[in-house]
Amino acid sequence: QQQVKQSPQSLIVQKGGISIINCAYENTAFDYFPWYQQFPGKGPALLIAIRPDVSEKKEGRFTISFNKSAKQFSLHIMDSQPGDSATYFCAATPGSARQLTFGSGTQLTVLP
Amino acid sequence: KAGVTQTPRYLIKTRGQQVTLSCSPISGHRSVSWYQQTPGQGLQFLFEYFSETQRNKGNFPGRFSGRQFSNSRSEMNVSTLELGDSALYLCASSYPGTMTEAFFGQGTRLTVV
Repeated sequence: QQQVKQSPQSLIVQKGGISIINCAYENTAFDYFPWYQQFPGKGPALLIAIRPDVSEKKEGRFTISFNKSAKQFSLHIMDSQPGDSATYFCAATPGSARQLTFGSGTQLTVLP
Repeated sequence: KAGVTQTPRYLIKTRGQQVTLSCSPISGHRSVSWYQQTPGQGLQFLFEYFSETQRNKGNFPGRFSGRQFSNSRSEMNVSTLELGDSALYLCASSYPGTMTEAFFGQGTRLTVV
């Protein structure tokens, strides 16, 4: 019930392409869905987050799409750059950002 | 504004020993959460402290414990270390409330030999 399933495990895209990472959840109590970016040797950094009352949120090149009925959400990275190469984690939590359930992570490689 | 500070950054311990890790949250943040990150299990929630009280706890054995001080700084302790406790331990702080961001520190890399 608490699990968040993330795919793909790894992703390789060309510079300028679109990177898409998908997540699915089961716990209907989840109501806050952040995405984190992690570089080697660093802690996760918040990229963008969404609540289920909206279907899409865009911040710069990053967009979250949310499908409440399907219990799925995804991260789209437009115009992907080599500097975007990192591990991306989706997460979910009920009520606050203080008890996050994370997906398994996607290692993104953007080729120059 | 300074970020979340975790000390030490790296630690090597022997099986059976105990270890204490420290986390200083962002100024003004009163909630501190701890996570364990391993290649096999990913990022897993350990526990969360707010106002010196443990509010939530993940599915970890009692060897894992923590506390929070009046200045919001937090420590976590692992007793009777096992090889499987080798991991990156991450601390996150947030200003309590709904829809609040959690800011992570760089973590403490614990190696148990």
